[in-house]
Amino acid sequence: SAVISQKPSRDICQRGTSLTIQCQVDSQVTMMFWYRQQPGQSLTLIATANQGSEATYESGFVIDKFPISRPNLTFSTLTVSNMSPEDSSIYLCSVEMVGNEQYFGPGTRLTVT
Amino acid sequence: AQSVAQPEDQVNVAEGNPLTVKCTYSVSGNPYLFWYVQYPNRGLQFLLKYITGDNLVKGSYGFEAEFNKSQTSFHLKKPSALVSDSALYFCAVSLEMDSSYKLIFGSGTRLLVRP
Repeated sequence: SAVISQKPSRDICQRGTSLTIQCQVDSQVTMMFWYRQQPGQSLTLIATANQGSEATYESGFVIDKFPISRPNLTFSTLTVSNMSPEDSSIYLCSVEMVGNEQYFGPGTRLTVT
Repeated sequence: AQSVAQPEDQVNVAEGNPLTVKCTYSVSGNPYLFWYVQYPNRGLQFLLKYITGDNLVKGSYGFEAEFNKSQTSFHLKKPSALVSDSALYFCAVSLEMDSSYKLIFGSGTRLLVRP
């Protein structure tokens, strides 16, 4: 398994601003993922982040809105840009380990007012 | 389209009784199937997975799941529920993409175990 931390754990932001969420892993991993979990709903994959290449975004998510960085094998950031109340969600990062298992961070609870 | 369905929004069971949380899937090829649990204000925790082999898979906290290919199901089970098992449970299927895999999650089932 892996130990994954996220910062911040929660934040309240004003509409029109941006928030960068950090994800740190205690071991080197190739694949990192970013998910969104809207209130009372399931997880939706935003993008896959490989170190050294551009992130791959899922349908409905674009780089201008959710830019991702992956500078090394233990760290990634997700920025939620030009936020609106509809962006209020829990944002989770995960990493892929052996056997296709994904391990998740504790999440960042974002509220946009 | 490849998908995962959890037909029950909530499952209620008394402590000590057996529990089942249902999951069905629709994928092409051989599926990789997973169960995750989410406790309040926590991230998802891996419970168990099925890739190949025995249809009955054992996982963490006494949970197990039965893979049924003919019924395309992967139901989560536990012989004796605990109040501490109360949480949100997600079934997921792994889809191959390029050199890795991505997870498609079901809608989730809230398990409530009453004392």
